Amino acid sequence: EAGVAQSPRYKIIEKRQSVAFWCNPISGHATLYWYQQILGQGPKLLIQFQNNGVVDDSQLPKDRFSAERLKGVDSTLKIQPAKLEDSAVYLCASSSSTGLAALQFLFFGEGSRLTVL
Amino acid sequence: KNQVEQSPQSLIILEGKNCTLQCNYTVSPFSNLRWYKQDTGRGPVSLTIMTFSENTKSNGRYTATLDADTKQSSLHITASQLSDSASYICVVRRDNTDKLIFGTGTRLQVFP
Repeated sequence: EAGVAQSPRYKIIEKRQSVAFWCNPISGHATLYWYQQILGQGPKLLIQFQNNGVVDDSQLPKDRFSAERLKGVDSTLKIQPAKLEDSAVYLCASSSSTGLAALQFLFFGEGSRLTVL
Repeated sequence: KNQVEQSPQSLIILEGKNCTLQCNYTVSPFSNLRWYKQDTGRGPVSLTIMTFSENTKSNGRYTATLDADTKQSSLHITASQLSDSASYICVVRRDNTDKLIFGTGTRLQVFP
């Protein structure tokens, strides 16, 4: 079974530029998460989708971050304009379950490492 | 405040030795606790998930314990291998919510 695919793996940009990350979850997984992991810290949830609807985006900095999952399959996370403090690994995770059961079986992608200069 | 704290922050051991990682949490109400292994540059991979009623669970050379009364968990690694070098993250889920609370992890390095 193919895992959660993310691209690009690495991205270096200057502050105030924009960047987009792509995630393709495991086939059939209804729930998709984007996490931000700053070096030396645990992952922090940015947004959770169930199919193509947003379940939780309370910690997403909406003035500069946006995410979509238009067809309920793959998802894109965008940052515009980027700040120095956005340097982090952006992890995508998916689950075949929905609601509370989704957290029982959570699979992470390899992450996209962003460096903002 | 719902928090997950891990210790030590980093650990260096020699190949073949055992080690124990600690996780203390103040999350309430508690649903379950899981340990993830995160290799450098990779995404986290689940090692174990423990519910309130489980005290010990093993996965190969990894053994996790849970004391729900003291709100402590440990991850014991037996006969360490070079491939065990990674960050180990403790994650707690609050009961009746879909919120996961992540610890900051313990970075383990195994030297030959």
